[in-house]
Amino acid sequence: RKEVEQDPGPFNVPEGATVAFNCTYSNSASQSFFWYRQDCRKEPKLLMSVYSSGNEDGRFTAQLNRASQYISLLIRDSKLSDSATYLCVVLLFSGGYNKLIFGAGTRLAVHP
Amino acid sequence: NAGVTQTPKFQVLKTGQSMTLQCAQDMNHEYMSWYRQDPGMGLRLIHYSVGAGITDQGEVPNGYNVSRSTTEDFPLRLLSAAPSQTSVYFCASSPGTGYSNQPQHFGDGTRLSIL
Repeated sequence: RKEVEQDPGPFNVPEGATVAFNCTYSNSASQSFFWYRQDCRKEPKLLMSVYSSGNEDGRFTAQLNRASQYISLLIRDSKLSDSATYLCVVLLFSGGYNKLIFGAGTRLAVHP
Repeated sequence: NAGVTQTPKFQVLKTGQSMTLQCAQDMNHEYMSWYRQDPGMGLRLIHYSVGAGITDQGEVPNGYNVSRSTTEDFPLRLLSAAPSQTSVYFCASSPGTGYSNQPQHFGDGTRLSIL
């Protein structure tokens, strides 16, 4: 079982749609959680951190459920520019160092 | 403001050749790391460094060496390239020695093919 699992997609949605991505992680000792965005053939970039209380950044809302070991990302009013792969990332202290564990990503394609 | 700079962007090698992927950052970050990204898999940590003179292994270190003689530079060496090392390699840096909520700054990536 992968340490961080995501639905690979692709999610094909029209502009203006609301889309939600889910992510599960296997290690209950995970400390911090993030969503990164990666455009095709580009480097990953931090989209937002994820907090237990839930947090929002414009059209993006992230939620964390520690009991279920589940993270979500909601995108409202999708734009063409939101088309990318979204990486769920978990921070874990393991083997003597802080370790970032990346999911394989969920691909989003927003069409006109 | 350059951020994290990786060279080369593309490279084709023959099995058994050696080469060095360069990574430099101008943000005075203590923490630097190398990842590889393969289709259908998340980024996997190869090696990391918490400061000049200090390096350690990550998840998939075999076949790779690193050194950190300065804060700015963190080269990755492939000693004897194998087809299994065909991948996209990303160098990243962050301030401090722990991730906490500090974002990783990634370079543009090096696309490496081993024939």
